Amino acid sequence: DAMVIQNPRYQVTQFGKPVTLSCSQTLNHNVMYWYQQKSSQAPKLLFHYYDKDFNNEADTPDNFQSRRPNTSFCFLDIRSPGLGDAAMYLCATSRDTTTASETQYFGPGTRLLVL
Amino acid sequence: QQPVQSPQAVILREGEDAVINCSSSKALYSVHWYRQKHGEAPIFLMILLKGGEQKGHDKISASFNEKKQQSSLYLTASQLSYSGTYFCGTRGNTPLVFGKGTRLSVIA
Repeated sequence: DAMVIQNPRYQVTQFGKPVTLSCSQTLNHNVMYWYQQKSSQAPKLLFHYYDKDFNNEADTPDNFQSRRPNTSFCFLDIRSPGLGDAAMYLCATSRDTTTASETQYFGPGTRLLVL
Repeated sequence: QQPVQSPQAVILREGEDAVINCSSSKALYSVHWYRQKHGEAPIFLMILLKGGEQKGHDKISASFNEKKQQSSLYLTASQLSYSGTYFCGTRGNTPLVFGKGTRLSVIA
């Protein structure tokens, strides 16, 4: 089945220790997104890639970076995690960003805990 | 701009109905509804497009009033499995922006 896969599902890191979260997709979609969701809050868009074009949200901290080496994979790097970065990180994909009817498909998420 | 959802939370007994509203101050091109259970990813329910359409899926339906820039999600004869947080998302020529969510709890 075509799908969005995230690894790991749970990640524990130490304060200030860099961490990388992984997302892969078999949908062959052009766009891959990273959302941060804190407890009882809405998912908040951090950035997205349209093919190789990176689009950062204005309020995304510099501590968050992303890489997309190919169509299938996208990584979220947190350079120096703080306690406030503990959250669920959701990866999503879609074919484009401008079609109103275009659905975004979400992966199962990675829950990050910062000690 | 983030859409506004109401109510923030609702508790239902099995078999009761509920309505969740989503509105925006900006022009809406589409409204996307998702349900998220605790600790899981949001699951897509349906999209509504401009033109005031209505859609239904089992006992969950939705309407989109383009003029009022709002959408409503209708849950009929609720089941325990309907429990979760419902998010509406809006998009024009940008990625989805989600509302703060409505927490729905269905009890026996």
